[in-house]
Amino acid sequence: EVQLVESGGGLVQPGGSLRLSCGASGFTFSTYWMTWVRQAPGKGLEWVASIKEDASEEDYLDSLRGRFTISRDNAKNSVYLQMSSLRADDTGLYYCARGRWQQFNYYMDVWGKGTTVTVSS
Amino acid sequence: QSVLTQPPSVSGAPGQRVTISCTGSSSNIGTGFDVHWYQQLPGTAPKLLIYGNINRPSGVPDRFSGSKSGTSASLAITGLQAEDEADYYCQSYDSSLNIWVFGGGTKLTVL
Repeated sequence: EVQLVESGGGLVQPGGSLRLSCGASGFTFSTYWMTWVRQAPGKGLEWVASIKEDASEEDYLDSLRGRFTISRDNAKNSVYLQMSSLRADDTGLYYCARGRWQQFNYYMDVWGKGTTVTVSS
Repeated sequence: QSVLTQPPSVSGAPGQRVTISCTGSSSNIGTGFDVHWYQQLPGTAPKLLIYGNINRPSGVPDRFSGSKSGTSASLAITGLQAEDEADYYCQSYDSSLNIWVFGGGTKLTVL
């Protein structure tokens, strides 16, 4: 069964850091782009970052560049999101998703259940 | 405020047909980028519903269909069922912002 399981969320003070992890199983992880998407409480989906199969390319939401870093370890079938200088508006549910390309178009075909990040003092 | 505009809510009675629109611009849908749709049932993760404007992943009922024209796309649901009550999001790429973008989401209520 294809599965993504996020972990690492929690309560962190403003200005703090957190590292999210996403473990993959049931597919050849090293052949897929991976993506993080977040959802603030009661709000819609927001794309955060994506990383290429071999980690040679990373893309970020401009407003998060420099604070968030996406990485992966294909030997461990895992993708990570390092978050620093966290602010209250980073609070939300963070989803890990598998990416697919169809010509020049990208979509997410498998999603994890998410991990909750709460930034509060 | 998303660059892809969806109605906040739509509703329909069981058995009816509803459509959800996703309006973009010349820097995203209008440029030719595909639109994808996701269904998010209450309290659960999003699920891919339609990809590449019109394609259904395996397991998605044919009651769900997608279309695209110009700078807009639509998701149609026929034979509405109670279990279709969910939030629906469109997604595409914006070449001006250079990011993947989601619509603001549409809450479907089955009356």
